[in-house]
Amino acid sequence: EAGVVQSPRYKIIEKKQPVAFWCNPISGHNTLYWYRQNLGQGPELLIRYENEEAVDDSQLPKDRFSAERLKGVDSTLKIQPAELGDSAVYLCASSTPGYTEAFFGQGTRLTVV
Amino acid sequence: SQQGEEDPQALSIQEGENATMNCSYKTSINNLQWYRQNSGRGLVHLILIRSNEREKHSGRLRVTLDTSKKSSSLLITASRAADTASYFCATVDNAGKSTFGDGTTLTVKP
Repeated sequence: EAGVVQSPRYKIIEKKQPVAFWCNPISGHNTLYWYRQNLGQGPELLIRYENEEAVDDSQLPKDRFSAERLKGVDSTLKIQPAELGDSAVYLCASSTPGYTEAFFGQGTRLTVV
Repeated sequence: SQQGEEDPQALSIQEGENATMNCSYKTSINNLQWYRQNSGRGLVHLILIRSNEREKHSGRLRVTLDTSKKSSSLLITASRAADTASYFCATVDNAGKSTFGDGTTLTVKP
C-alpha cells in the first residue's frame, strides 16, 4: 500500500513569490494534517481536516497561508507571498478517525531566499 | 506553542546499552504517541499509549505513562546503531489536537 505522498520534495523560491505543496494521503484515511517543522524543532500543526472540513486551523497564518482539501482526498497548502521565515519542512500526515497514529509523508523542504 | 517537552535534548550511548527518553506535558490528553525521525526523513510512528494505560511494550520499546505527573518515558533496550534518530512525543487531546515536543536526538555508537 502506498504511503502518504508529497510533492515537490524540495522547493527554492524568492521571497514574495507564491508556492504550493501537494499531498495525497493514504487511501481511506479521513483525517489529514499539515505540519511545519523548523530545524531542530518538532512539527507544529498548521491545519487538520476531517474529510473536507478544516476542524482545526488555529495555527495557520491566514494572512498568507491557505489550504484546501477537495473531495476529502488530496490537499494543497499554499503560501502567498512567501517570507524568509517560512523556510522549513512542510509535512503532511494522514490517519483513520479516532485519534489514532498518523502516517507521515517525506515532507517538502522549502527554502525562501 | 509546544505542549510536550522531551528530556534530554541529546543522548549519546554505546551499542547494546539502554536509552531512556522522557516527555512532560501540561494539559489533559486522550493519548500520547512516540515517533522516530531519521535525518531528512518523515516521522515514523512507534507506539501509542492511551490515557487509561500505564505501560506498553513493542519489541525493544517500552513506554510508560503517568497521568498524575503528566509525564511519559520511552525506553529502548539493547540499542543498535540503526536506532540513531530523533525521537518525538506527541500528545493528542480530547478534541483530537496533536502537539509535538522538540525531540530527543539519540546517537548510538557502534
